[in-house]
Amino acid sequence: RKEVEQDPGPFNVPEGATVAFNCTYSNSASQSFFWYRQDCRKEPKLLMSVYSSGNEDGRFTAQLNRASQYISLLIRDSKLSDSATYLCVGGSARQLTFGSGTQLTVLP
Amino acid sequence: GAVVSQHPSWVICKSGTSVKIECRSLDFQATTMFWYRQFPKQSLMLMATSNEGSKATYEQGVEKDKFLINHASLTLSTLTVTSAHPEDSSFYICSANAPPGGTEAFFGQGTRLTVV
Repeated sequence: RKEVEQDPGPFNVPEGATVAFNCTYSNSASQSFFWYRQDCRKEPKLLMSVYSSGNEDGRFTAQLNRASQYISLLIRDSKLSDSATYLCVGGSARQLTFGSGTQLTVLP
Repeated sequence: GAVVSQHPSWVICKSGTSVKIECRSLDFQATTMFWYRQFPKQSLMLMATSNEGSKATYEQGVEKDKFLINHASLTLSTLTVTSAHPEDSSFYICSANAPPGGTEAFFGQGTRLTVV
């Protein structure tokens, strides 16, 4: 079983739609969680950290459920520019483990 | 945010030659850097952890004699792919955490290696 698992997609949604990505992790010792965004042939960039209390950044909401070892990312009012691969990441300062990514395409 | 610079961004080399990739932290010191490899449509796979002033720690299945890592200063780590073969063609990317010991990873721009 992979340490971090996420639905690879692809998710094809119309502009303005709300889309949710889910991710599960198997290492209960993981301390920190993140969502990264990776555009084609580019390096990943941090989208947001994920906190147990849930956190929101504009159209993006991330949630962490430690009991279920589950992380989610909600994107509201999707924009064309949101098209990318979204990587779920868990780990510690010593090592990060990446999910395989969920591909999102927002259609006009 | 912190800046990690990776060079070159792409390289094409002949089979059997060696390729060196540099990873620099530009505005902070990184005692630890991480090297990843990413094949098309797959996730980043950690290859090794580069430690300043000591030997790198390699992940299971990664040949240390093939992927030489040197971390001679607090701002520079290098990955040398020795005797490259076509199956080594991939996207290689480094990262460092900033601040040191923190959990936010900053990535270099990546190096697309093609071995012909």
